[in-house]
Amino acid sequence: DAGVIQSPRHEVTEMGQEVTLRCKPISGHDYLFWYRQTMMRGLELLIYFNNNVPIDDSGMPEDRFSAKMPNASFSTLKIQPSEPRDSAVYFCASSGGTVSYNEQFFGPGTRLTVL
Amino acid sequence: AQSVTQPDIHITVSEGASLELRCNYSYGATPYLFWYVQSPGQGLQLLLKYFSGDTLVQGIKGFEAEFKRSQSSFNLRKPSVHWSDAAEYFCAVGLTGGFKTIFGAGTRLFVKA
Repeated sequence: DAGVIQSPRHEVTEMGQEVTLRCKPISGHDYLFWYRQTMMRGLELLIYFNNNVPIDDSGMPEDRFSAKMPNASFSTLKIQPSEPRDSAVYFCASSGGTVSYNEQFFGPGTRLTVL
Repeated sequence: AQSVTQPDIHITVSEGASLELRCNYSYGATPYLFWYVQSPGQGLQLLLKYFSGDTLVQGIKGFEAEFKRSQSSFNLRKPSVHWSDAAEYFCAVGLTGGFKTIFGAGTRLFVKA
């Protein structure tokens, strides 16, 4: 299996622009998580889905952030409009299927820089 | 509330020396416990996990961890550190009733020659 795939790996944008991050989970996994990692705040859970349905979005920082999972093999995290404080590494992870309970598989991350 | 504490922000050990990374958790139910490792520029990779049974668990790359319920701890150990072990290590608690996981702040390991 190719593992969790994220694109792009790096994104540089200007303040006010819309940013869309993409994730393809491991086939057969029914949980998908979006995390944000910064030096100041560490690893934060933003939102997670089960069977394409958002279960907990309490970590989404503001209405500028939105996430969708239109099908079992694709999810997006959108920031509109972006701000410099959104600069971080965003990870997608998936879990479920036949793996051990709670074990998560992480993608390589998208490093976002907002100028 | 559930929480995970890794008291050491960073640790430096000499190559070949033993290693212990500390982790304490707060959770009312039986915990599912994990250690993940993150190399620079990479995502997190699972090192080992504890669900039940033997409280000493073995993981990849020669790591082990011991669950101590009385101390609410799940410390990670390795008898002899290699330079390639330099990375950031995260302890995590999996919440029952779902797949949500709480991560600690991480401990960055530096290995000196």
